Amino acid sequence: QVQLVESGGGLVKPGGSLRLSCAGSGFTFSDHYMSWIRQAPGKGLEWVSYISSGGVTIHNADSMKGRFTISRDNAKNSLYLQMNSLRAGDTAVYYCARVKGYGSSDAFDIWGQGTMVTVSS
Amino acid sequence: DIVMTQSPDSLAVSLGERATVNCKSSQSVLYSSNNKNYLAWYQQKPGQPPKLLINWASTRESGVPDRFSGSGSGTDFTLTISSLQAEDVAVYYCQQYYSTPYTFGQGTKLEIK
Repeated sequence: QVQLVESGGGLVKPGGSLRLSCAGSGFTFSDHYMSWIRQAPGKGLEWVSYISSGGVTIHNADSMKGRFTISRDNAKNSLYLQMNSLRAGDTAVYYCARVKGYGSSDAFDIWGQGTMVTVSS
Repeated sequence: DIVMTQSPDSLAVSLGERATVNCKSSQSVLYSSNNKNYLAWYQQKPGQPPKLLINWASTRESGVPDRFSGSGSGTDFTLTISSLQAEDVAVYYCQQYYSTPYTFGQGTKLEIK
């Protein structure tokens, strides 16, 4: 079945780094734009970044620009988020999500279960 | 950035009754060249990821019960549940994908009265 599975979350100290991964299956991964979206504990949803199907076009939320880098490896059906200079405010569940259509502007139709990132000393 | 504002923040409705969630965007999300509203609705139950219910403001996702409907255009949108079922208890979010940064409403918590 169509699914996304995130991994790589955990506890990290402020200023530290973490790399999240998301494995896609059950669909042609290379056909779709992909995104990361996060949700702080008890809070709403915040879009983080997207990457085009071929990996050429990337857009990031301003609050994470320069610290977070999205990438993908279509040969491995995988999406990544490299997070550097982490702050307490980055504590959240991080979801990877598929963009429904074949461009950037469409809803997120498939979501992973999420991976928890906790930034604390 | 386009700010998405939902109302109310929480809502209690009796089983079988209608539930209505509103979403207002700070600027139009209607793309004039294709006459499409770049607006989606999601449902999130505790401990689960969001689930896409409706995109393009009114197109129901496959498998979503027809008691869920979306309406509106430009800056004002509505999600309606025509007859509330127990399994509809959740937080509902609207989201614009008209321009980056893609933004979500703050969420509306729907409960049973």
